[in-house]
Amino acid sequence: GENVEQHPSTLSVQEGDSAVIKCTYSDSASNYFPWYKQELGKGPQLIIDIRSNVGEKKDQRIAVTLNKTAKHFSLHITETQPEDSAVYFCAAISDLLTGKSTFGDGTTLTVKP
Amino acid sequence: GAVVSQHPSWVICKSGTSVKIECRSLDFQATTMFWYRQFPKQSLMLMATSNEGSKATYEQGVEKDKFLINHASLTLSTLTVTSAHPEDSSFYICSASLLGGSNEQFFGPGTRLTVL
Repeated sequence: GENVEQHPSTLSVQEGDSAVIKCTYSDSASNYFPWYKQELGKGPQLIIDIRSNVGEKKDQRIAVTLNKTAKHFSLHITETQPEDSAVYFCAAISDLLTGKSTFGDGTTLTVKP
Repeated sequence: GAVVSQHPSWVICKSGTSVKIECRSLDFQATTMFWYRQFPKQSLMLMATSNEGSKATYEQGVEKDKFLINHASLTLSTLTVTSAHPEDSSFYICSASLLGGSNEQFFGPGTRLTVL
């Protein structure tokens, strides 16, 4: 089955700096890669996603890049703000029939004011 | 759009009792609903995949007789934790995929279960 590895597990940046979180996946058939933000005590929220026919996608301060050959994708947050502090999960759709996702272990991002 | 609700948001129960958690897609029809559990500072662990009108597919190691899933309609799935024990205490989260959609999952806010 699919295996998703996420790094780093924790990341601390100064407000205004950029943050980058990286994930690798194993199943070359995976074609949908969402990123979720989870705040304490809440469910994950989709913040951006990318499909395998696209190399990069941007939404204001958030961008995601995908390298299908290397099987890795990354989340980039620019001009970080304290409210960006949360746990971020990457995922890959491992079963194209059911839509079942495999999640990374998460990255705890802390943005210091 | 694409809002998923869960009820209750938290529940405390005694060991040996059963607890039912509801997951509803409020403004869309969901082909598939997923149930996850999450322990503190850990990732989401998929428990089962539920399709409307059919039996749920459980992940390896998840006891189907303990975690009963019913997906009676395109907007409602329920998870019943039967004979709950303290080790079942966890954060349970559901998600739903749009009927005819593109594999996007929309997550509920989660249910915190504490078994005394």
